[in-house]
Amino acid sequence: AQSVSQHNHHVILSEAASLELGCNYSYGGTVNLFWYVQYPGQHLQLLLKYFSGDPLVKGIKGFEAEFIKSKFSFNLRKPSVQWSDTAEYFCAVQPGRRALTFGSGTRLQVQP
Amino acid sequence: DSGVTQTPKHLITATGQRVTLRCSPRSGDLSVYWYQQSLDQGLQFLIQYYNGEERAKGNILERFSAQQFPDLHSELNLSSLELGDSALYFCASSVAGAGRTDTQYFGPGTRLTVL
Repeated sequence: AQSVSQHNHHVILSEAASLELGCNYSYGGTVNLFWYVQYPGQHLQLLLKYFSGDPLVKGIKGFEAEFIKSKFSFNLRKPSVQWSDTAEYFCAVQPGRRALTFGSGTRLQVQP
Repeated sequence: DSGVTQTPKHLITATGQRVTLRCSPRSGDLSVYWYQQSLDQGLQFLIQYYNGEERAKGNILERFSAQQFPDLHSELNLSSLELGDSALYFCASSVAGAGRTDTQYFGPGTRLTVL
């Protein structure tokens, strides 16, 4: 069965700092990769997704992620975070058109 | 707003009781997924329906069941509730059409509290 690891459980940054959240997965076949964000008290929103093609994908709100197949990684980045980015971030893996397997999430706290 | 709706938003009930959570997918989406989010287990897939038929099962307890109706809305039934069933229950929908690509859009969730 596939699994997803998010090694950073809680990250605290100051505004304008750069962000990188790690995501590694284990699955032998072809997968779709996603990052979702959950703002306090809200539902999961799609940040970005990778299906195929250019391994560097851009999402909403200035986020991007890079798929490195050899490392089974799909790290999320943002050059300059804002206070409004405070949220929980989930990496997810999807083999084919099946259900998502989520990582445990990373809580990001951005201090003004 | 993802276009996926869930009712009720909050539900408080007692142990041993039975509840029904409802989900309406985005217009045009045929597939509905149910997930459970709890502090100790994280976000876990429960079950998927596609065009009225069960397609995949995840970590769903036997006390839980679901169905998808002809109008494509789905209901998740939780029975003999235990304290540990307290969680946020999300529904997601997708087109799940031909091809490998498929994006799931999540509803606002139902927060279930079992006392």
